[in-house]
Amino acid sequence: GDSVVQTEGQVLPSEGDSLIVNCSYETTQYPSLFWYVQYPGEGPQLHLKAMKANDKGRNKGFEAMYRKETTSFHLEKDSVQESDSAVYFCALSAPFSGGYQKVTFGIGTKLQVIP
Amino acid sequence: GAVVSQHPSWVICKSGTSVKIECRSLDFQATTMFWYRQFPKQSLMLMATSNEGSKATYEQGVEKDKFLINHASLTLSTLTVTSAHPEDSSFYICSARPGQGPYEQYFGPGTRLTVT
Repeated sequence: GDSVVQTEGQVLPSEGDSLIVNCSYETTQYPSLFWYVQYPGEGPQLHLKAMKANDKGRNKGFEAMYRKETTSFHLEKDSVQESDSAVYFCALSAPFSGGYQKVTFGIGTKLQVIP
Repeated sequence: GAVVSQHPSWVICKSGTSVKIECRSLDFQATTMFWYRQFPKQSLMLMATSNEGSKATYEQGVEKDKFLINHASLTLSTLTVTSAHPEDSSFYICSARPGQGPYEQYFGPGTRLTVT
């Protein structure tokens, strides 16, 4: 089945540091890729997306490049802010039986920016 | 746009009772809705996928008789936890998608269920 593996646990950069949260995926299909962000007590929100290879998703200074050759979709930011602190989920959406799309989520990475 | 609401946002119930959670897409028609369960500090676990007007497809290990899902219209899906037990306590999140293609999902704010 499909799988998504991302940086586990917690990441603790200081404000102004650069950030990379790794995400690798595995599927036999041609997926769309997403990063979702979740704040405490809330549901996840779409953060950015890339629908095909070599697309780059961008939002609030974050970027992620859809790299088919390395099956990766790493989340990057040049300079993190305290307000970026949240849990980030990498996800893929790929065709499933019956013509539907199924979404597979990674385990989530908690970003805690130190002021 | 693309707002999904859930009701209630939190509920406390006694063991053995049933609880219904509603999920609504407020400004779009959701062909497909999903129900997830999330334990503290863990990822989202897909429970079932429901398409309007048809039976839900449950993931392996999810009891369909315990977690009843109804998707009666293009804007409303309900999850009923029947004969709830303390181990059913969790954060339940729904999401909705406007079509069958590779569209992103829009998540509701979640419902915190506590069974005493």
